[in-house]
Amino acid sequence: DAKTTQPPSMDCAEGRAANLPCNHSTISGNEYVYWYRQIHSQGPQYIIHGLKNNETNEMASLIITEDRKSSTLILPHATLRDTAVYYCIVSSPFGGGSEKLVFGKGTKLTVNP
Amino acid sequence: GAVVSQHPSWVICKSGTSVKIECRSLDFQATTMFWYRQFPKQSLMLMATSNEGSKATYEQGVEKDKFLINHASLTLSTLTVTSAHPEDSSFYICSASQNTDTQYFGPGTRLTVL
Repeated sequence: DAKTTQPPSMDCAEGRAANLPCNHSTISGNEYVYWYRQIHSQGPQYIIHGLKNNETNEMASLIITEDRKSSTLILPHATLRDTAVYYCIVSSPFGGGSEKLVFGKGTKLTVNP
Repeated sequence: GAVVSQHPSWVICKSGTSVKIECRSLDFQATTMFWYRQFPKQSLMLMATSNEGSKATYEQGVEKDKFLINHASLTLSTLTVTSAHPEDSSFYICSASQNTDTQYFGPGTRLTVL
């Protein structure tokens, strides 16, 4: 079972920031928070991940609370192409490879014109 | 960087035939590859994990004799659906990892079994 809880759907106006929340209250010390998104009929796209510090890249920012029990993915200026299902996943890397990712139902983000 | 391809992107086959799907890491060496399946309006479900040169590890409920996985090189893994039936129709997606904490996904293969 997925270890995260996300709202099933959200709407956002084009050009505005999209803030997607995720609860992971049972996260353990060596588990990272990963965000992927899946546009209809495509494979998931990696967005960002973090352990405990806030992270930012060219796609998004990840804000993790100090107790690590929740996080927020921020798309600073949403576009219509950001409409997708966003998955928040907790997983621990191991042995030089990657621990398996358990996908929940994610949040369906719809960016409106 | 970190591009993963799949071939074919879609395939239609008759019931009882076998279908092979290829997954390639184009610009990195993938020590670990994963195969997922996604039914309509559902989330991705992991089928198996494979490390180069080793036998795949299958998730509970996935028939290893039906879904044959070969990870013969650091850039190629194949999934063969043997004796496919209509209930095997699904979206099959692979991912690859290069000794890092991130998996990169392929674009997926849509399988339709008539």
